[in-house]
Amino acid sequence: AQSVTQPDIHITVSEGASLELRCNYSYGATPYLFWYVQSPGQGLQLLLKYFSGDTLVQGIKGFEAEFKRSQSSFNLRKPSVHWSDAAEYFCAVVPGGGNFNKFYFGSGTKLNVKP
Amino acid sequence: KAGVTQTPRYLIKTRGQQVTLSCSPISGHRSVSWYQQTPGQGLQFLFEYFSETQRNKGNFPGRFSGRQFSNSRSEMNVSTLELGDSALYLCASRYTGGESSGANVLTFGAGSRLTVL
Repeated sequence: AQSVTQPDIHITVSEGASLELRCNYSYGATPYLFWYVQSPGQGLQLLLKYFSGDTLVQGIKGFEAEFKRSQSSFNLRKPSVHWSDAAEYFCAVVPGGGNFNKFYFGSGTKLNVKP
Repeated sequence: KAGVTQTPRYLIKTRGQQVTLSCSPISGHRSVSWYQQTPGQGLQFLFEYFSETQRNKGNFPGRFSGRQFSNSRSEMNVSTLELGDSALYLCASRYTGGESSGANVLTFGAGSRLTVL
């Protein structure tokens, strides 16, 4: 079945430490890939997206993500986490073919940042 | 440019009642999608509208319905509310204009928090 998997429900990192959030998908063709962040009580904000081209994409707030076709992954990274990064992060996928009528979201990873 | 506006932000209803939620998309965005977010089920797709037509629908009962107006504003309605309908309802609009960098990205509103008692 087609799916988007974020294996880590909760992650805790210390402020200043590096971060990697995992996302795996199972779709046949190369999908369109997104990372969103949600602060408590708010909607989702786009961090970055991958449509084509360079597999390492840069986003806002110092985040980057790398598309690895062989691993069907699109992991989110940040070299040094700030306390304000504490939030929930969602990976989203639009299957290859370009029908953007429906986005598929992972279950989310809640990030806690220790001082 | 104004963002996606959802009203009301919070509402409390009782079982059996109905509710209507409103979403005003970003100017120029003709696609509007709705998602239900709950702690147990995560983000679940409800439906997507474009030019007043529903183009895609998620796996929800017929109690959940929506519509889109000629100005792209959208409403969703839930009839005969159940306790399990308590959720954050998120609306997202999307610019569909070709290959521009802002196209085909969902921009979300802050959501409408529905509590059913």
